[in-house]
Amino acid sequence: KAGVTQTPRYLIKTRGQQVTLSCSPISGHRSVSWYQQTPGQGLQFLFEYFSETQRNKGNFPGRFSGRQFSNSRSEMNVSTLELGDSALYLCASSLFPAGENTGELFFGEGSRLTVL
Amino acid sequence: GQQVMQIPQYQHVQEGEDFTTYCNSSTTLSNIQWYKQRPGGHPVFLIQLVKSGEVKKQKRLTFQFGEAKKNSSLHITATQTTDVGTYFCADTSQGAQKLVFGQGTRLTINP
Repeated sequence: KAGVTQTPRYLIKTRGQQVTLSCSPISGHRSVSWYQQTPGQGLQFLFEYFSETQRNKGNFPGRFSGRQFSNSRSEMNVSTLELGDSALYLCASSLFPAGENTGELFFGEGSRLTVL
Repeated sequence: GQQVMQIPQYQHVQEGEDFTTYCNSSTTLSNIQWYKQRPGGHPVFLIQLVKSGEVKKQKRLTFQFGEAKKNSSLHITATQTTDVGTYFCADTSQGAQKLVFGQGTRLTINP
């Protein structure tokens, strides 16, 4: 069965631009979580969607947003990019919503964003 | 808020030496998960611990969950070059609706 697919894998943007990243979860998984990974900060939780509803949001500014479609595919958007947004953005899918009974997260390869 | 401290941040060992990383939380955990991320790769699930005092083994890897469910450890016996990577713990505090990752321990090995 296909794994989690993230597109694009690499992208370069300039400050002030906006970017949209896509994530297709494993078939049957309805929960999609997004994480930002930087060398000094580890994996920072952005938000989680389950059945098209945002259930939780991390401590990121409003420039970071996301959504989930009826087929469970998810997108995240970052507007007005800043240099500090350069990072690897990881998407993870799971069968159950994030929480005490989440179970295993399956991560995609990530989208590496560079902001110049 | 919910915070997970993972130590050490870096560990360099000679091949064949043992390695341990620790995960500590300020709150009581419902369960804890461990992931491994190879250089250039993405995190891959290793194991989940649920019960107080639980110990699980996977070949040379031993995972423990503290009696008070506030800490956990991952121990690798006789490291091999294939163990290189960053090991993350991820916890779910009671009532939380998200998985919070520790900072990770980056393991490098001298062959």
